[in-house]
Amino acid sequence: GQNIDQPTEMTATEGAIVQINCTYQTSGFNGLFWYQQHAGEAPTFLSYNVLDGLEEKGRFSSFLSRSKGYSYLLLKELQMKDSASYLCAVPSASGGSYIPTFGRGTSLIVHP
Amino acid sequence: DAGVTQSPTHLIKTRGQHVTLRCSPISGHKSVSWYQQVLGQGPQFIFQYYEKEERGRGNFPDRFSARQFPNYSSELNVNALLLGDSALYLCASTQVGGGLQTQYFGPGTRLLVL
Repeated sequence: GQNIDQPTEMTATEGAIVQINCTYQTSGFNGLFWYQQHAGEAPTFLSYNVLDGLEEKGRFSSFLSRSKGYSYLLLKELQMKDSASYLCAVPSASGGSYIPTFGRGTSLIVHP
Repeated sequence: DAGVTQSPTHLIKTRGQHVTLRCSPISGHKSVSWYQQVLGQGPQFIFQYYEKEERGRGNFPDRFSARQFPNYSSELNVNALLLGDSALYLCASTQVGGGLQTQYFGPGTRLLVL
């Protein structure tokens, strides 16, 4: 089975940098997704990591360490609009398909 | 291009009733997945369909069922509703089945069971 752990809530200041961690336990690793979900809205894709290391995409970067079962999402130059829930998801193989298991999400509050 | 669409946006039902939720995937996408999201939790996988066949099923009771139509749209049915079924129901589409592709989510149907 899958076990995914993320902090429940984080707060940060506008313009700052924040790191949102995700640890996972899985029987077979098939990559890790990060999604952003604003309150009352659907999740939207941020990143997909399958190899170790840091992948940068504008203000957002995602890091993966497969040996440690660990990932983080790094948000730079925080803006108020970054206030949202950040979901970590790990797909697991099931009957010829892959079923994503989502963490509970980290609610990020950005204040002025 | 239109994204994933879901209907209705909101729904209020009473315990014991039945509900049907509908989803239309992005044009060209052939796979649809359904998720249940309770407030404060991440989405929980319910079903995945690809080319009208069920490709995955989450840990939900048999009261939950789904199907996919030839035009790749999908319905999620829930029978004998319980208070605990109150949640946001999300539909996501991908080009093909498999689950390793980026999921494109619809706006969801917010179901309240009284």
